[in-house]
Amino acid sequence: KNQVEQSPQSLIILEGKNCTLQCNYTVSPFSNLRWYKQDTGRGPVSLTIMTFSENTKSNGRYTATLDADTKQSSLHITASQLSDSASYICVVTEWSSYKLIFGSGTRLLVRP
Amino acid sequence: SQTIHQWPATLVQPVGSPLSLECTVEGTSNPNLYWYRQAAGRGLQLLFYSVGIGQISSEVPQNLSASRPQDRQFILSSKKLLLSDSGFYLCAWSSGGGVGGEQFFGPGTRLTVL
Repeated sequence: KNQVEQSPQSLIILEGKNCTLQCNYTVSPFSNLRWYKQDTGRGPVSLTIMTFSENTKSNGRYTATLDADTKQSSLHITASQLSDSASYICVVTEWSSYKLIFGSGTRLLVRP
Repeated sequence: SQTIHQWPATLVQPVGSPLSLECTVEGTSNPNLYWYRQAAGRGLQLLFYSVGIGQISSEVPQNLSASRPQDRQFILSSKKLLLSDSGFYLCAWSSGGGVGGEQFFGPGTRLTVL
């Protein structure tokens, strides 16, 4: 069964600190992996997208990594800001399919 | 540029009442359109998708239905709401003519069924 699992479920960090969110997937065949940021009560917004041939992709203070062999991805947030407080969702696309497989997300809270 | 609109933003409805949520996309033509539901603390669940006018595919059996009367309009409906229909409903679009493309989400509708 195609699944995407994220950890931790929730995370609290102090402003300015770094953090890493994890995503493991069993989706096969695999097309691409995206990380979305979802602010409370809003729709998700794409942060990064990686195909199976890409190992890392950065978007400002966000850096995503992908290991297609172990089917793991991580999202690293550097020098966190209060505005980083949100849910971060890992989404994997099946090959040649419209279907997106969503993780349940990691809820991040950045405290001053 | 493309934009996606949803309304209403929030809705409180009694059990057994009808539902109509609307989604429209601007700045693109022949998009693929999607309806998702997000329960509290859960991942997004795909409810319906459409690759063209009048073409609707259902992913999950339920008392909801979807329609696409125009190219860039997608409507989610119910004749009689259940308590379990409460949740955050998201509409999304992706470029038509291909699959697996990035999906762009609307602002969502928070539905509470009492």
